[in-house]
Amino acid sequence: DQQVKQNSPSLSVQEGRISILNCDYTNSMFDYFLWYKKYPAEGPTFLISISSIKDKNEDGRFTVFLNKSAKHLSLHIVPSQPGDSAVYFCAASLSGSARQLTFGSGTQLTVLP
Amino acid sequence: GAVVSQHPSWVICKSGTSVKIECRSLDFQATTMFWYRQFPKQSLMLMATSNEGSKATYEQGVEKDKFLINHASLTLSTLTVTSAHPEDSSFYICSAASGPWGTEAFFGQGTRLTVV
Repeated sequence: DQQVKQNSPSLSVQEGRISILNCDYTNSMFDYFLWYKKYPAEGPTFLISISSIKDKNEDGRFTVFLNKSAKHLSLHIVPSQPGDSAVYFCAASLSGSARQLTFGSGTQLTVLP
Repeated sequence: GAVVSQHPSWVICKSGTSVKIECRSLDFQATTMFWYRQFPKQSLMLMATSNEGSKATYEQGVEKDKFLINHASLTLSTLTVTSAHPEDSSFYICSAASGPWGTEAFFGQGTRLTVV
């Protein structure tokens, strides 16, 4: 049973426009959510996180929105840049710890110049 | 952010041999390290949680006798794939965190294992 789902395996966006990556989860006990960016043959790089007590967290071009009632979170990147092209994983954890993570299957974002 | 180094970055081995992968925290002490595995175009799956000085905790379905984990110091955890088979070919990634309630864990660069 996949507890964290990213239903879009890929997304293409024009440079300068907004990229919206979506993630759904089933375990209502998850209380900490993170987004990671990953290039091929490299480990994930942390982007941004959000605690379940918040519904929005913003860091530069990256904003994460959390809708607990819908068990849904999204990552907005604006404006999108070609260097943002990578696989984006959303992850969730219990007890506010960002260490033991359950990952989604990832979304390949391609930003077209 | 903190640096986690994983070695080797890639390895090719013959079926039946064993391969050791090292995960080091370079600028902090990691009381806990995590080992993940990623199949092509799939998610990272947690294999085990490694605590310094104690036995690793394995996730359901992960063979502890096949994937030996040793966390002998606060800066080093090793994963040994014993008697490797082609189906063990995968991308293995470690992450490390400090303290019982640390902030974000930091990931190594991963190891591409190919068993021929």
